Amino acid sequence: AQKVTQAQTEISVVEKEDVTLDCVYETRDTTYYLFWYKQPPSGELVFLIRRNSFDEQNEISGRYSWNFQKSTSSFNFTITASQVVDSAVYFCALSEAGRGGADGLTFGKGTHLIIQP
Amino acid sequence: GAGVSQSPSNKVTEKGKDVELRCDPISGHTALYWYRQSLGQGLEFLIYFQGNSAPDKSGLPSDRFSAERTGGSVSTLTIQRTQQEDSAVYLCASIEGTSGSYNEQFFGPGTRLTVL
Repeated sequence: AQKVTQAQTEISVVEKEDVTLDCVYETRDTTYYLFWYKQPPSGELVFLIRRNSFDEQNEISGRYSWNFQKSTSSFNFTITASQVVDSAVYFCALSEAGRGGADGLTFGKGTHLIIQP
Repeated sequence: GAGVSQSPSNKVTEKGKDVELRCDPISGHTALYWYRQSLGQGLEFLIYFQGNSAPDKSGLPSDRFSAERTGGSVSTLTIQRTQQEDSAVYLCASIEGTSGSYNEQFFGPGTRLTVL
């Protein structure tokens, strides 16, 4: 069965520091998709990124970057020069292609990121 | 355009009562998901609809939970004889296209259910 582990329950940093959120996953499928979602205090989950299992290229989007390594089954998320608006709960999630999405997303427990001014 | 909407936003009920939660997906989205978010269990998948059919209901926590979708649009999640452990935020998501494994899920704001 698939599993996503986010070992960091809460991280607190001072604004402008860089911060990395860890995500480790388990799956038996060879084709799968990894996601990061952000849940701000308002509560609505916001999609950030998707990677498929065949694409290990790192991705950068502004201050956000993602490091996908199949060898360590990790999909880590880094925010550079953090800002107070980045404060939220961040979820890593996995979807296996084999069931065509019928099993939904498997989420990690989330990391609560607090950016202090 | 309009996103996924859910109603009510908050629901307080007494133990043993039935509740009905509603989800309006984004227009044209064919697939719909229900999740539950609670402090103890995190985000759990409950059920998936492709059109009006739910091929697998094994994710529902107990037989007190049921869900339906009519007209390929609105979905309702019904919890009968509510228990205190049902207290959680119930989230709905919809996707464009049919491949839920690949496509971005668009989430609604959730219904916060409190069972007293």
